Amino acid sequence: RKEVEQDPGPFNVPEGATVAFNCTYSNSASQSFFWYRQDCRKEPKLLMSVYSSGNEDGRFTAQLNRASQYISLLIRDSKLSDSATYLCVAYTGTASKLTFGTGTRLQVTL
Amino acid sequence: DAMVIQNPRYQVTQFGKPVTLSCSQTLNHNVMYWYQQKSSQAPKLLFHYYDKDFNNEADTPDNFQSRRPNTSFCFLDIRSPGLGDAAMYLCATSRGGQGGNLFFGSGTQLSVL
Repeated sequence: RKEVEQDPGPFNVPEGATVAFNCTYSNSASQSFFWYRQDCRKEPKLLMSVYSSGNEDGRFTAQLNRASQYISLLIRDSKLSDSATYLCVAYTGTASKLTFGTGTRLQVTL
Repeated sequence: DAMVIQNPRYQVTQFGKPVTLSCSQTLNHNVMYWYQQKSSQAPKLLFHYYDKDFNNEADTPDNFQSRRPNTSFCFLDIRSPGLGDAAMYLCATSRGGQGGNLFFGSGTQLSVL
C-alpha cells in the first residue's frame, strides 16, 4: 500500500463548478500535510498547509481527518487556470520525511 | 528575487556517461533535497541535507551521489546513467523545522540516449 494515495483522475469540470479531491495516508505518525499544485512540466508549488483540522484560502479549503487518515481539498468556483495536478504531501517530522502522492489531475473546461 | 536555481533546464547524456546536475539557492535555507520525478508519478526523494548532514533514502541506487560544498550549492552526480534514469530532477529547499514547506527549482529534465 502506498503511503499517500490519491485518485489520479482526471477530474473534468466546467468553469464555476466545485470540485473536491481526497487523499489518504497510511503513516499515523504523519504530523502535517500539504497540497501542492504542479503544472505540466513545471515544478510543484505550495498551495496550502494543513496543520490542524483545516485551512481556508479564498476559493480553496483543505480539511484533515486524523481519525480516518485523510485530507481533502475543495475548490469552489473553478477557473480555467486551476487546471493542474494537485499533489498531496504528508510530513513526518521525526524522520524529516516528506511523502508525495502521485497527484490528482484537474481539467477545468469552458 | 530569492530563489532556487537549477541548471541546466534540459540535459542530454549518453548511456553510461557521468552527468552532474546543479542547484543553487539564495534563500539561505539549511535543508536541501533532490527529488526524481517520472511522468505521471510522485516526486521520489533521493536524498536530503540537513545542514551538512547527509541523509540517503534506503532505496536510492548507489549510482546516485550528492555533494553540498556549502549552504548555497548542491550537486547531483549520476555515475553511470541508464535509460531508466531519464526523468525530471527537482531540487528543493526548506527552512529547518518547517519541513513540508518546500521551495522547488524549475527542475532539470534528463534524457539518456
